[in-house]
Amino acid sequence: EPEVTQTPSHQVTQMGQEVILRCVPISNHLYFYWYRQILGQKVEFLVSFYNNEISEKSEIFDDQFSVERPDGSNFTLKIRSTKLEDSAMYFCASRATGGLVEQFFGPGTRLTVL
Amino acid sequence: AQTVTQSQPEMSVQEAETVTLSCTYDTSENNYYLFWYKQPPSRQMILVIRQEAYKQQNATENRFSVNFQKAAKSFSLKISDSQLGDTAMYFCAFMLGETSGSRLTFGEGTQLTVNP
Repeated sequence: EPEVTQTPSHQVTQMGQEVILRCVPISNHLYFYWYRQILGQKVEFLVSFYNNEISEKSEIFDDQFSVERPDGSNFTLKIRSTKLEDSAMYFCASRATGGLVEQFFGPGTRLTVL
Repeated sequence: AQTVTQSQPEMSVQEAETVTLSCTYDTSENNYYLFWYKQPPSRQMILVIRQEAYKQQNATENRFSVNFQKAAKSFSLKISDSQLGDTAMYFCAFMLGETSGSRLTFGEGTQLTVNP
């Protein structure tokens, strides 16, 4: 069964460093999302992406964040200058078209900012 | 803006028994979808069940079923014949229509523990 994959599973970085989180969505899906979950809290929407552009972004998704689909398979989230409060689990999700509304999530990348 | 509320932070149930998790939401829209996601200790988000707002019939997936009360904006999840593997955090989620940017809005979650 096709699934969303994410790398790395765990990333440790120093405050102020740039990180890139990578996702490979399900191959025939065209809608892509990033969510984050701070430990012990609910899952929060960051950004959605369709047709090579951002469809919607939340107030969390400020200028420090960017997304890219560099090729036909990868979907990346970049945090330019990490802060302590960026420590969280980051989930990528993808969705098909044609009235299929389910979003399928990857296993997540746990980001720890020291 | 849409909001989702899960008022039960924790619940427990004995193996083989039935448990119901509550969820309420607030929206002024008419075209939307509701979901339940399961998050086991691995933290993977697993889709359990979905409900279209335009459908009156409650969704069912094996041991999982929902009670969708549109007028009351209520969307509860019933788990029958609970199994130890059902132990997880359960999140209720809301999604507007089918627009390309449709985000999921999640509730705070209910931690369910199934006891042997």
